[in-house]
Amino acid sequence: QSVLTQPPSVSAAPGQKVTISCSGSSSNIGNNYVSWYQQLPGTAPKVLIYDNNKRPSGIPDRFSGSKSGTSATLGITGLQTGDEADYYCGTWDSSLNAVVFGGGAKLTVL
Amino acid sequence: QVQLVESGGGVVQPGRSLRLSCAASGFTFSSYAMHWVRQAPGKGLEWVAVISYDGSNKYYADSVKGRFTISRDNSKNTLYLQMNSLRPEDTAVYYCARGPVLGSGCYLYCYFDLWGRGTLVTVSS
Repeated sequence: QSVLTQPPSVSAAPGQKVTISCSGSSSNIGNNYVSWYQQLPGTAPKVLIYDNNKRPSGIPDRFSGSKSGTSATLGITGLQTGDEADYYCGTWDSSLNAVVFGGGAKLTVL
Repeated sequence: QVQLVESGGGVVQPGRSLRLSCAASGFTFSSYAMHWVRQAPGKGLEWVAVISYDGSNKYYADSVKGRFTISRDNSKNTLYLQMNSLRPEDTAVYYCARGPVLGSGCYLYCYFDLWGRGTLVTVSS
């Protein structure tokens, strides 16, 4: 069981918007920055969002992040077939002294 | 070129040992915290261990504590993971990942901004 809780799958049509939730606790999301990673099939993960809502250079503004309390959300607008991937949230857990991830959400663009 | 390249994976019998390496290039390796993250076949990401920029602090996932040891050689720009008493459930692709740089305001983790391609470890008799 993952420390952070994500829906196992999400789906939407091309051009539409989707959100992926990530729920934790005060020892992780509640008091630490959240990051989001995209993993395309057969490749290593890549950071999409860091420090809750910042995008690295090269990541389009179709991707956004937010945090409220002990939950975080990744938003993707203007969905493209190339966005089909697994998405993971991650943060530091101050009680465990460990990085914790969500179980991953598989995005299908219908 | 800024990159991380893992090596040392392979097939090993349960109970045996294996050492993974991660060669860093294109950046000042000695200024960054470094991590190992693994992914079992068809499963999600699982964090394994972290080492501070100077090697003075290390933390491990409960699933590997007492069996795995993370270390680094800053003179060789290389990160290591010594894996002992391997179990079938340790079968996974092992990634090294770069953590925060010294002076960034984070110490061991804010996010992973650079990942290697991974090396596959299979524990099977």
